[in-house]
Amino acid sequence: DAGITQSPRYKITETGRQVTLMCHQTWSHSYMFWYRQDLGHGLRLIYYSAAADITDKGEVPDGYVVSRSKTENFPLTLESATRSQTSVYFCASSSGGGNTIYFGEGSWLTVV
Amino acid sequence: AQSVTQLGSHVSVSEGALVLLRCNYSSSVPPYLFWYVQYPNQGLQLLLKYTSAATLVKGINGFEAEFKKSETSFHLTKPSAHMSDAAEYFCAVSEGTSGSRLTFGEGTQLTVNP
Repeated sequence: DAGITQSPRYKITETGRQVTLMCHQTWSHSYMFWYRQDLGHGLRLIYYSAAADITDKGEVPDGYVVSRSKTENFPLTLESATRSQTSVYFCASSSGGGNTIYFGEGSWLTVV
Repeated sequence: AQSVTQLGSHVSVSEGALVLLRCNYSSSVPPYLFWYVQYPNQGLQLLLKYTSAATLVKGINGFEAEFKKSETSFHLTKPSAHMSDAAEYFCAVSEGTSGSRLTFGEGTQLTVNP
């Protein structure tokens, strides 16, 4: 039961660098999500995808890019990292409707 | 648009005491409601969910929540707190039709004192 895995789990990068966070799920869920977690804000949706090649913006999409060429993968790219993007990033997936959304273990990103 | 308000960013109880974590929601359609728990340095784990069946929902680890439409609430309770319940708890709402996107509350940190 591999579930949903994120990599890297921990990353330190410099301002201005490009960073890609990977997300892989083994359930063939159609929906995938990226959230960021910051103190005082809970979890906020960055981007989501309803199926391969279909993506849409969430609440805080600026500075991020996503793609979904395969159902099982949903990478998140920070094109030019800023300190304000220091956060914990969670990938999640669901089969849709009111079904449970399952979360990965998180990727801790620090931008210095 | 959907939203969630969790009353109290920090709640402290004694071991064996009642746990009550409050959640109010706003939704333009009948909602799906969820409670997740997060232990330090881990992801989110589903405690329970409401999807328009029974209004009293039982979850894992002895937690339950009651959906009250008239009060737009979905409070989480546990009769007797255990030390292992110390964690952060998130209430979330989904309108289902919008692709299951969850909107989260800001979370409540539960401390259990011996």
